[in-house]
Parts: sequence; C-alpha cells; structure tokens
Amino acid sequence: EAQVTQNPRYLITVTGKKLTVTCSQNMNHEYMSWYRQDPGLGLRQIYYSMNVEVTDKGDVPEGYKVSRKEKRNFPLILESPSPNQTSLYFCASSLSLPRAGELFFGEGSRLTVL
Amino acid sequence: QQQVKQSPQSLIVQKGGISIINCAYENTAFDYFPWYQQFPGKGPALLIAIRPDVSEKKEGRFTISFNKSAKQFSLHIMDSQPGDSATYFCAASGRGSTLGRLYFGRGTQLTVWP
Repeated sequence: EAQVTQNPRYLITVTGKKLTVTCSQNMNHEYMSWYRQDPGLGLRQIYYSMNVEVTDKGDVPEGYKVSRKEKRNFPLILESPSPNQTSLYFCASSLSLPRAGELFFGEGSRLTVL
Repeated sequence: QQQVKQSPQSLIVQKGGISIINCAYENTAFDYFPWYQQFPGKGPALLIAIRPDVSEKKEGRFTISFNKSAKQFSLHIMDSQPGDSATYFCAASGRGSTLGRLYFGRGTQLTVWP
C-alpha cells in the first residue's frame, strides 16, 4: 500500500530534550516536505527536499533540522524543543515538484513540549 | 506574509445546500491551485486542483472557479452532505521563487447539518 509513515504519532517531551520524528515513503517520490498545523494558522511549511541531499527552508524553519540521506526517508529533528514547538506535524511527499501534482500526507505526529 | 488568504474560517450549511469557500493570492508566479480536504485525525488529501489556463474545473459535486485577473479562486460543493464535514484548505504553488513550495490557506471548517 502506497503511504507516508510518520513516527511517533504522539509524543510528550520536556524542554531541551532532543527528539526526532521519522518520515518514510514507499512511493519512490523525489519531493518530501514537513508542515506544522496549528489552530487558526493552517499548514505552514518547515522544510522541504526536492531530492536526496537537497533540502531547503520553508516559512518556519527555526528550531528544526532535516536531512535527506536516502530517497525514502526525511526525518525532522528538534535539537532543543521548546513549548512553542507544541504542534501537529505532517510529513508529505510527491513524485515531483508540488506544482506538478498531488502531495501525499502522513497521518500526523502530535507533539507536546512541556 | 500570508501567500494565500482563505475565507470563511468556518461554514455551516444545511444538507443539500451549496458550500462556497474563497481564496485569494497576490503572487503571479503561482500556476497550480489545489484544494485539500482533511478529516479529524487524518492528514490532508487532495480533493481537486486547477491551473490558470481554465476558469472552471468540475469533479462530481466539487467545482473550482478561477478568476485569473482578480487572483481569486473558490471551491463550490453542490448538494452538500454530512460526510463533507471536514476542514478544507486551498493552496498554491508555482515557478521561480515558489518552486518547491506549496502554500496553504488557513483552512475552513465546514459543518453540514443533516
């Protein structure tokens, strides 16, 4: 089954404790991206990657890191989480650039930073 | 700066009625305008999309109307059903500086009463 898989789905952590949210897709997609969703603010792009070893910032990259060492994986790293990073995070992928077609989303990872 | 402005924030429609959600943009580099539908606990999923070479696109009960000169586009849901109750996001992507980016509106929460 074609899918984007995120882990963990739910996480409660404390300020400053490094964490990684993994994202994997099995569709051989070139493009991957991370979004955060907050009430009233919609979906805001954090980072995106157009191919292996190619990453770029979105609108809200502060406090986050990403890497794209393999085509299928695009982990999101919070080196020192803070309460303002409490949010619902979505990983997404598409065959090519977003303007070329459908973006497939994972089911989301709800993160709480205390 | 918000690239895509969406209204209304919430919408309540009676079963069988027409739901209309509006979006506006400024960046003329945009050339791809999708709508995503999100149910609670799920990731967004592509509903319908349009490119600026056409003024309207219809798929079943869902229609996108596009006004290039006004830089506006809207989603019309005909014969709205309780199963259409979800959050809807308009989005935009394009060329140049927007390549690799998919900008979302803030979302509209639609409730269809039976």
